[in-house]
Amino acid sequence: GAVVSQHPSRVICKSGTSVKIECRSLDFQATTMFWYRQFPKQSLMLMATSNEGSKATYEQGVEKDKFLINHASLTLSTLTVTSAHPEDSSFYICSARDPSGAFTDTQYFGPGTRLTVL
Amino acid sequence: QQPVQSPQAVILREGEDAVINCSSSKALYSVHWYRQKHGEAPVFLMILLKGGEQKGHEKISASFNEKKQQSSLYLTASQLSYSGTYFCGTPTGNQFYFGTGTSLTVIP
Repeated sequence: GAVVSQHPSRVICKSGTSVKIECRSLDFQATTMFWYRQFPKQSLMLMATSNEGSKATYEQGVEKDKFLINHASLTLSTLTVTSAHPEDSSFYICSARDPSGAFTDTQYFGPGTRLTVL
Repeated sequence: QQPVQSPQAVILREGEDAVINCSSSKALYSVHWYRQKHGEAPVFLMILLKGGEQKGHEKISASFNEKKQQSSLYLTASQLSYSGTYFCGTPTGNQFYFGTGTSLTVIP
């Protein structure tokens, strides 16, 4: 199946700093990538849909100025958590659709990034 | 937008069967099922593309009732490796939403 990488896998930062998370599709081109956040023992909540070459579509309640998304190429989307606070600590997961795959709706997930804000 | 799953949690003994349900308030055009192990990303199990369709993956199968806007995941003769949290997922327009999740624990 298609492979999606995510970097870093784990990051610890001080409150007030910004953190960038990268999501790459390694063997396919992804026009659409998704960013999810998952708190302990909860489901994955869609934060935003990242579209190559255009602005991301944010879900209701997600601050676009705080969670900056850039999808500059067909294989890379980045999520920057600006001025991070302890309540931003979570597991962030990206996913991508493979438009050339047999099932174009299938999501392929990155391994996730565990963010801890002190 | 988020599909609702039931039960929230289930504990099985090895070899027992389980059913996990996924229900949506919106029309479903396809349903995806994933399993997530603790601390890891979800792993794709299967996709169901049209009403009434049933798919299988080892001893895990699923059905999709488009009219009822529901899908069910069937785990038969459960194994220890089946433990994890199961999510259904549905595309809506250009977005993709996960269900509320079902924690499955298989014990010896």
